[in-house]
Amino acid sequence: EPEVTQTPSHQVTQMGQEVILRCVPISNHLYFYWYRQILGQKVEFLVSFYNNEISEKSEIFDDQFSVERPDGSNFTLKIRSTKLEDSAMYFCASSAGLAGAYEQYFGPGTRLTVT
Amino acid sequence: RKEVEQDPGPFNVPEGATVAFNCTYSNSASQSFFWYRQDCRKEPKLLMSVYSSGNEDGRFTAQLNRASQYISLLIRDSKLSDSATYLCVVNRGVNFGNEKLTFGTGTRLTIIP
Repeated sequence: EPEVTQTPSHQVTQMGQEVILRCVPISNHLYFYWYRQILGQKVEFLVSFYNNEISEKSEIFDDQFSVERPDGSNFTLKIRSTKLEDSAMYFCASSAGLAGAYEQYFGPGTRLTVT
Repeated sequence: RKEVEQDPGPFNVPEGATVAFNCTYSNSASQSFFWYRQDCRKEPKLLMSVYSSGNEDGRFTAQLNRASQYISLLIRDSKLSDSATYLCVVNRGVNFGNEKLTFGTGTRLTIIP
């Protein structure tokens, strides 16, 4: 069964450093998303991406964040200068985006720890 | 009012029992509804979509009441493997290209042997 994959599974970084989280969405999916979940809290939407551009972003997704699809398979989230409060689980998701097939499927996540 | 509201639980239920979860949502324009399950420190996994007519998948039944903005999930003959956090999730529109999912905080279920 096709699945979303993410690397690394755990990333530890120092405050102020840049991190890049990587995702490989399901191969025939057209819509890509990033969500985050701070420990003990609910899953929150960050950004959606379609046709090589951002479709929507939340208020969390400020200028420190950027997304990119550098090639035909990868989808990345970059945090330019990490803060302590960026520590969270980051989930990538994808959906086919076809009529009746808009369910979003999540990757296993990257646990980001900012020290 | 929260966008998606769920009873956080925990629900501690004996194996074999039936358990029901409820959820309300605030945006009447919401079009798509889902139940996801999340195991500890894992990703949300889609359990089922929820349709207006109600739908069933094995031991799981989901219902939607648009007038009351209310979604439910019923688990029959619960198994130990059903222990997880159940997330009520709402998608606001049918333009599936850019529609973010809005999650509830989840209801924690523990099945007791």
